[in-house]
Amino acid sequence: DAGVIQSPRHEVTEMGQEVTLRCKPISGHNSLFWYRQTMMRGLELLIYFNNNVPIDDSGMPEDRFSAKMPNASFSTLKIQPSEPRDSAVYFCASTHRRGSLGELFFGEGSRLTVL
Amino acid sequence: GQQLNQSPQSMFIQEGEDVSMNCTSSSIFNTWLWYKQDPGEGPVLLIALYKAGELTSNGRLTAQFGITRKDSFLNISASIPSDVGIYFCAGQDLIQGAQKLVFGQGTRLTINP
Repeated sequence: DAGVIQSPRHEVTEMGQEVTLRCKPISGHNSLFWYRQTMMRGLELLIYFNNNVPIDDSGMPEDRFSAKMPNASFSTLKIQPSEPRDSAVYFCASTHRRGSLGELFFGEGSRLTVL
Repeated sequence: GQQLNQSPQSMFIQEGEDVSMNCTSSSIFNTWLWYKQDPGEGPVLLIALYKAGELTSNGRLTAQFGITRKDSFLNISASIPSDVGIYFCAGQDLIQGAQKLVFGQGTRLTINP
């Protein structure tokens, strides 16, 4: 079975540009998470969805960040406008049941560089 | 917010040596988990612990959920080259938010052949 699929794997953009990261969770999983990983701050939870509904977005850094999940098989994380401090690896993860006790399946990540 | 202190931050060992790393928290967790991240990939779950005092093994890996529910350790016996990577502890508090995992800063393991 396919795992969590993220795109793009790498993106280099200039400050001020809009960035859209995409995620396809594992089929049948009903919870989806967006994490950001940096050397300084480690893995930070940005937002998570249950059954396509955002449950907790308290980790979203600021209004420049937004996330959507229009259906069970697709989610986007958008940064507009992007800034150099947004440079990080962004991971999407999914899991198969609500309150699932921790087993998240991560994608390979999208490495974002903002110049 | 909740924080996990993971140590050591990095380890440099010889192949065949045993490895030990631990994680402590300022607050109680209901679940402790250990993940491993290989370069260029996302973290992968190694072991999950659900009860205080629980000791669980997965091959050469052994992890324990501390009695106080504020700590956990991971041991790797007889290390091999493919053990290289970053190991993360993670805690889950089902009261604060059913699926919010808090991750430690990671332990980077390097093995000299």
